[in-house]
Amino acid sequence: QKEVEQNSGPLSVPEGAIASLNCTYSDRGSQSFFWYRQYSGKSPELIMSIYSNGDKEDGRFTAQLNKASQYVSLLIRDSQPSDSATYLCAPSGAGRRALTFGSGTRLQVQP
Amino acid sequence: EAEVAQSPRYKITEKSQAVAFWCDPISGHATLYWYRQILGQGPELLVQFQDESVVDDSQLPKDRFSAERLKGVDSTLKIQPAELGDSAMYLCASSSGLEQYFGPGTRLTVT
Repeated sequence: QKEVEQNSGPLSVPEGAIASLNCTYSDRGSQSFFWYRQYSGKSPELIMSIYSNGDKEDGRFTAQLNKASQYVSLLIRDSQPSDSATYLCAPSGAGRRALTFGSGTRLQVQP
Repeated sequence: EAEVAQSPRYKITEKSQAVAFWCDPISGHATLYWYRQILGQGPELLVQFQDESVVDDSQLPKDRFSAERLKGVDSTLKIQPAELGDSAMYLCASSSGLEQYFGPGTRLTVT
């Protein structure tokens, strides 16, 4: 079992729709959770962080965390073609600051 | 806006040669990370520094890789000798708290 599991995609959504990206993790001690966006050939860019159960909203992005289910998700509202990228889920392990990344979900927003 | 600097951006080298990458973290960030990202996968931690000290190098192939951060500011990652399997993106990240910010990366191709 991988430490961080993400559906590789591609996830294809029409422009203006909600994109829902999911991630499960195996380390029950994980306390901090991050979503990074990575355009092809570029480095990861931090877009959301979440530390407690529930929802956290920032503009068009909402992160959701359920530690009991070891599940974290990212919702992108009003998806734009510029949102087309790979989204990486990255929890930090118990007692560690270093991140363990999933392989990412590729999102395609169709104009 | 403060950014993590890396050089070179691209490097092509022949196998068995030595190669070095440089990283300058965001000013004031005490923690520095080197990650390696193989195409289609998420980044994987190679080494983590807290100031000038190594905190975690458990995934660093020490027979050929070395890393240093002598004055607790910028850092160098070296590979000697390079192997074909080392072809990847080498990413440097820094943090002052829990959130990590990545530099643009160095794309290494070993021929």
